Amino acid sequence: DAGVTQSPTHLIKTRGQQVTLRCSPISGHKSVSWYQQVLGQGPQFIFQYYEKEERGRGNFPDRFSARQFPNYSSELNVNALLLGDSALYLCASSLGRGNTGELFFGEGSRLTVL
Amino acid sequence: QKEVEQDPGPLSVPEGAIVSLNCTYSNSAFQYFMWYRQYSRKGPELLMYTYSSGNKEDGRFTAQVDKSSKYISLFIRDSQPSDSATYLCAMKGMNSGYSTLTFGKGTMLLVSP
Repeated sequence: DAGVTQSPTHLIKTRGQQVTLRCSPISGHKSVSWYQQVLGQGPQFIFQYYEKEERGRGNFPDRFSARQFPNYSSELNVNALLLGDSALYLCASSLGRGNTGELFFGEGSRLTVL
Repeated sequence: QKEVEQDPGPLSVPEGAIVSLNCTYSNSAFQYFMWYRQYSRKGPELLMYTYSSGNKEDGRFTAQVDKSSKYISLFIRDSQPSDSATYLCAMKGMNSGYSTLTFGKGTMLLVSP
């Protein structure tokens, strides 16, 4: 079975540009979460979506937005990119909304902002 | 003080050694504790998942949770060069309402042949 898939795997942008990252969850998983991992740090929570609704948001500016589609795939958008947005962006899926679900991560999208 | 503290290492051991990795935390609301393994430039892979205090064993891996001390550990027996990776502890609370994980910084482990 396919795991969590993310695209693109790598991308380079310049300051001020906008980026869209995509994620397909494991088949049957209805919840998708996004995390940002800066080099040398642990992942930080950005958003969780369940059944196409935002269920949680971390401490990130409004430049970050996301959505979930009827097939449970998800997009993360970042506007007005800053150098500090350079990071590995991880998508994770789980079966449901609740706290007991295990999170399974994709390989990530590595964003470099110049 | 960060919610989750983890020594970044690197921790270097010879093949076959027993490895001990640890995290401390400050938020007493955390109830679920996880260990993820992350190879260079890859996504985290779930290794162990435990609820509340106690031990859990899976093959060469043992996870321990001591909620009274706010301290969790991962032990790796008979370590192999393929275990060389960054190990992230992660935890979440019962009442957060959604599946938010709080991670440590990760400990880099190097197992030499």
